Amino acid sequence: GNSVTQMEGPVTLSEEAFLTINCTYTATGYPSLFWYVQYPGEGLQLLLKATKADDKGSNKGFEATYRKETTSFHLEKGSVQVSDSAVYFCALSLRDYKLSFGAGTTVTVRA
Amino acid sequence: KAGVTQTPRYLIKTRGQQVTLSCSPISGHRSVSWYQQTPGQGLQFLFEYFSETQRNKGNFPGRFSGRQFSNSRSEMNVSTLELGDSALYLCASSSVTGFNEKLFFGSGTQLSVL
Repeated sequence: GNSVTQMEGPVTLSEEAFLTINCTYTATGYPSLFWYVQYPGEGLQLLLKATKADDKGSNKGFEATYRKETTSFHLEKGSVQVSDSAVYFCALSLRDYKLSFGAGTTVTVRA
Repeated sequence: KAGVTQTPRYLIKTRGQQVTLSCSPISGHRSVSWYQQTPGQGLQFLFEYFSETQRNKGNFPGRFSGRQFSNSRSEMNVSTLELGDSALYLCASSSVTGFNEKLFFGSGTQLSVL
């Protein structure tokens, strides 16, 4: 079946540190890939997306590149802030009106 | 523009009861999806509706059902509640007619089954 595997958390970082959250997927076909973020007390929101191989999604300093050869979509940010503390979810869709989510990675950034 | 509104915010029920959760999508959005979020299983897709038609359904038992009204508001119902149904139920809406590239999520209804 279709599934997403994320690196387990929690992840704790200091401000201005480099953040990487690994995400790999298994899918029948060519999925679209997403990162959603859930800030404390808020609903899930789309952070970035990529719809085909080699596409790079970016938003708020975060980037992720769709790597078909390694079936990966790792999330990166060069310099994190306290406000980036949240739960991050990798997800895929095969355009069948549903998202398959990873387990989520909790990130805490300390000042 | 108001976001996705889910009511109630919290619910406490006992085993065997049934429950109805409500979701009002963002104005103009015609697609509504439901997800169940638990610490053990994470986010699991329940179903998706567009213009009152269910377009996809997840792997949940028949006790879980949903519907969408002509004004795009949606409800989901869980009958014969079990302890394992305790979860945060999230509703999401989208303005896209076809493939949902961007979902807007509500804050969820926290259901506790005792």
